[in-house]
Amino acid sequence: EVQLVESGGGLVQPGESLRLSCAASGFTFNNYYMAWIRQAPGKGLVWLANIKEDGSEKYYVDSVKGRFTISRDNARTSLYLQLTSLTVEDTAVYYCVREFDSWGPGTLVTVSS
Amino acid sequence: QTVVTQEPSLTVSPGGTVTLTCASSTGAVTSNYSPAWFQQKPGQAPREMIYSTVKKWSWTPARFSGSLLGGKAALTLSGVQPEDEADYYCLLYCGGAQHWVFGGGTKLTVL
Repeated sequence: EVQLVESGGGLVQPGESLRLSCAASGFTFNNYYMAWIRQAPGKGLVWLANIKEDGSEKYYVDSVKGRFTISRDNARTSLYLQLTSLTVEDTAVYYCVREFDSWGPGTLVTVSS
Repeated sequence: QTVVTQEPSLTVSPGGTVTLTCASSTGAVTSNYSPAWFQQKPGQAPREMIYSTVKKWSWTPARFSGSLLGGKAALTLSGVQPEDEADYYCLLYCGGAQHWVFGGGTKLTVL
């Protein structure tokens, strides 16, 4: 059974940084591209970033380019998202996603002073 | 900057048929956009129901079908059940800098 479990969310102040993790199990992790998607409270879904199976290619939505960094560790079957220079507009549930067909339950990031 | 547009809300009676659409600001949606559809119920993560325009997963009920209709991607639910009440999001591959773009979502009410 495919399992994706995010962690690392929490309350931070504007300008601070956070690192989200996603522990993957139940499938051959290095055979799949992975993604992060977020959803602000009461709002729609926003694709943030993708990373290729071997980590050689990464793609970002314009609004997070230069602030967020996606990475993976295939040996640890884990996906990461480094968030920097956070603003209140980054407040959202962040989902770890396998090729869009499997989603974790999400981790809430709240940016507030 | 591609904008993907969906109906904000639709209402359907149980047993009825409803079609949700997904339009791109850049022009007609084709299979090259790899349209996908996601269902999200309150408090839950989204679930992919349709991918690559028409393909279904093992968990996708037979009453769900995807298509291209009048230059848009479409999701049709035939014989709607009360449990189909949810938010539905389409996703298009737009390539270039944007890569993937979600529509704003359609709130489907079964009443």
